[in-house]
Amino acid sequence: QSVLTQPPSVSGAPGQRVTISCTGSSSNIGAGYDVHWYQQLPGTAPKLLIYGNSNRPSGVPDRFSGSKSGTSASLAITGLQAEDEADYYCQSYDTSLSGVFGGGTKLTVL
Amino acid sequence: EVQLVESGGGLVQPGGSLRLSCAVSGFTFSSYWMNWIRQAPGKGLEWVANIKQDGSEKYYVDSVKGRFTISRDNAKNSLYLQINSLRAEDTAVYYCARENNDWSDAFDIWGQGTMVTVSS
Repeated sequence: QSVLTQPPSVSGAPGQRVTISCTGSSSNIGAGYDVHWYQQLPGTAPKLLIYGNSNRPSGVPDRFSGSKSGTSASLAITGLQAEDEADYYCQSYDTSLSGVFGGGTKLTVL
Repeated sequence: EVQLVESGGGLVQPGGSLRLSCAVSGFTFSSYWMNWIRQAPGKGLEWVANIKQDGSEKYYVDSVKGRFTISRDNAKNSLYLQINSLRAEDTAVYYCARENNDWSDAFDIWGQGTMVTVSS
């Protein structure tokens, strides 16, 4: 049971928009900690996709965007492409200064 | 090139021990908090532990407290994880990751991981 809650799977057709939610509590996201998002392609290490709720590292397409409100955050992907098929994880911290992850969401491009 | 390279994984019996290493290159290791994160086969990511730049602060997930010890050697640009009293549920790929304080403490650089298998 992960501390942050994500839907196990989402899907969309090429070109469509999908969103992935990440729900926490007053002990983590709601306590003011920022949310980060990672993309993990099959058989590879995770890669930072969004940091500080809504910022993209250099090289990440602007099709990826993030937001945070209250005890939740979300990742949006527009103009879905086949290469976006991957697992996506949200991450934050809690008041014990421990890192916490969501359970991960598998994105399928139909 | 910024790089993290883990090593030390392997097959170990329940109750056994291992020492994982993470060799760092391409950035000033002593300027960053560092983390260990693991992923059991077919499962999600689990944060394990982190350590401050000078080693003076360390934090662990509850399930490994008292069994795992994170440490670092800034002179050798290396991060370590001593794992004792291993259990089947510790079977996972273990990743080291850099925590970027300028990016709200996100894990911006990851190694390729080292596999730990606990089995008799």
